[in-house]
Amino acid sequence: RKEVEQDPGPFNVPEGATVAFNCTYSNSASQSFFWYRQDCRKEPKLLMSVYSSGNEDGRFTAQLNRASQYISLLIRDSKLSDSATYLCVVNTGFQKLVFGTGTRLLVSP
Amino acid sequence: EPEVTQTPSHQVTQMGQEVILRCVPISNHLYFYWYRQILGQKVEFLVSFYNNEISEKSEIFDDQFSVERPDGSNFTLKIRSTKLEDSAMYFCASIPTGLDLNTEAFFGQGTRLTVV
Repeated sequence: RKEVEQDPGPFNVPEGATVAFNCTYSNSASQSFFWYRQDCRKEPKLLMSVYSSGNEDGRFTAQLNRASQYISLLIRDSKLSDSATYLCVVNTGFQKLVFGTGTRLLVSP
Repeated sequence: EPEVTQTPSHQVTQMGQEVILRCVPISNHLYFYWYRQILGQKVEFLVSFYNNEISEKSEIFDDQFSVERPDGSNFTLKIRSTKLEDSAMYFCASIPTGLDLNTEAFFGQGTRLTVV
């Protein structure tokens, strides 16, 4: 089983749509969780950390289910500028960050 | 805003040659990383570095690879004898401290290495 698993997509959605991405991780001892965004041929940039209680930042909502080892990202009211690859990142301990393959999102007019 | 800087942005090298990729992490950060991303593939962990020594390394980080922090500011990745399959984007990253597991990792803009 992969350490961090994501559906690679692409997810094609119209502007204004709501889209959700899922991620599972295999190491139950994993300590912290993040969603990063990566634009084509650019470096990953932090979108948001994911907390057990769930957290929201504007149009973005992240959820963590430790029992199921599952992380989600919900994007509401999609914008053209949201088109990117969304990377699920898990800190498996000792500050080692493990990346999922990423889920590609394409938002169309 | 402080940032991680990497040089060069693009390097082309012949197979078998040595390359050194350079990174300047954010000045008060303590943990440093190298990751690589082969075109179209996932970001892969290579090595982490803390307190002037390797903290952890992946299976990819074999004897051809080495890291160094030669002068307290630069953090380098050396590939001794490059292979075609080393062609990838190499990202350097740093975090402020090893104590807060929720801290964000800051990535440099990457060095695109092309081995011909």
